[in-house]
Amino acid sequence: AQSVSQHNHHVILSEAASLELGCNYSYGGTVNLFWYVQYPGQHLQLLLKYFSGDPLVKGIKGFEAEFIKSKFSFNLRKPSVQWSDTAEYFCAPTGSSNTGKLIFGQGTTLQVKP
Amino acid sequence: DVKVTQSSRYLVKRTGEKVFLECVQDMDHENMFWYRQDPGLGLRLIYFSYDVKMKEKGDIPEGYSVSREKKERFSLILESASTNQTSMYLCASKQGGGDTEAFFGQGTRLTVV
Repeated sequence: AQSVSQHNHHVILSEAASLELGCNYSYGGTVNLFWYVQYPGQHLQLLLKYFSGDPLVKGIKGFEAEFIKSKFSFNLRKPSVQWSDTAEYFCAPTGSSNTGKLIFGQGTTLQVKP
Repeated sequence: DVKVTQSSRYLVKRTGEKVFLECVQDMDHENMFWYRQDPGLGLRLIYFSYDVKMKEKGDIPEGYSVSREKKERFSLILESASTNQTSMYLCASKQGGGDTEAFFGQGTRLTVV
């Protein structure tokens, strides 16, 4: 059965601090990995995704994530956060099936203090 | 621009009422999903559908049912609303295939009193 775990539920950082949010998954077969973000009052949107090739992927607004297959991890990073990064972040692994369900981690609320 | 539209942003219903939440997408996506979002619990999948008239239970289907009579529309039904169903409900759609992005509606904040 597929599952996903995000280790940090609530993170508070000052502007310019570095960010790393953990995501571990359990999935049988080929996996595709996504991070979504929900800014306050807005709908969820894609931040970045990985499905093959270079395990270090870059997304919008300076975010990146590294796929480490041996650790079943897909951690999200940003070298220097801004106040505007305050949001909730969700990790989502999916399989290659056309009819597969889409599940999300518990989410991490990031609060960036100006 | 892609669009997933949920019929209501806010709803207040009484305990025991039958509640319909509607979701429409304009992208001809095969897959549609209903989630509830609660603080500290993230997004929990209620039901999903991968084709017209096809549905699969998610992780928390109890107390809910769904309907997908047309490809663009996916309805969530609370047969008899209860206070523990007070939550934010999110609809999403995506093209078939594991490497495709999901698109979300703005959410419906349902309060059951």
